[in-house]
Amino acid sequence: GENVEQHPSTLSVQEGDSAVIKCTYSDSASNYFPWYKQELGKGPQLIIDIRSNVGEKKDQRIAVTLNKTAKHFSLHITETQPEDSAVYFCAASITGNQFYFGTGTSLTVIP
Amino acid sequence: NAGVTQTPKFQVLKTGQSMTLQCAQDMNHEYMSWYRQDPGMGLRLIHYSVGAGITDQGEVPNGYNVSRSTTEDFPLRLLSAAPSQTSVYFCASSLDSTETQYFGPGTRLLVL
Repeated sequence: GENVEQHPSTLSVQEGDSAVIKCTYSDSASNYFPWYKQELGKGPQLIIDIRSNVGEKKDQRIAVTLNKTAKHFSLHITETQPEDSAVYFCAASITGNQFYFGTGTSLTVIP
Repeated sequence: NAGVTQTPKFQVLKTGQSMTLQCAQDMNHEYMSWYRQDPGMGLRLIHYSVGAGITDQGEVPNGYNVSRSTTEDFPLRLLSAAPSQTSVYFCASSLDSTETQYFGPGTRLLVL
């Protein structure tokens, strides 16, 4: 099956700096790559996603890039704010199949 | 819309007991799934369903059963609880496996 690896496991940045989280996947058939944010005591919530026919997608301070050749995708958060502090998960899936999640990155934004 | 609801929020079981974790969604989603979340392990898929009457195993199915008799409901059954099943359980739903997944608030399970 698919194997998704996520790095780093923890990340601390100063408020206003950028944060980058990277994921790799193993199955070249994967075609959907969502990113989730999980706050303490809550379920994960989708923040951005990208499909295999797109190289980059941006939504305000959040962007995701996908490199299909290298089989990796990254989450970029610019101008970080304390409310960005949370655990972030990447995932990969194939049409009609299951989702595979990375192990998560705990992001702390220091005011 | 209530979205994805899960009950109970918290449960304590003794080893060997059985129980059912409830999950319901009101978004007419075909795809539903159950995950367990353990520290440092991320979210691991237990079982999933691509529509009523269809279920399949995920990464960690042992000790769990599911059924999908309606589009709305996807209960997870623990047949004989073990301490290794102590975890936080999340149910999620989406239109299909390449659309946004919506997660429920989770059920914290402690097996003594």
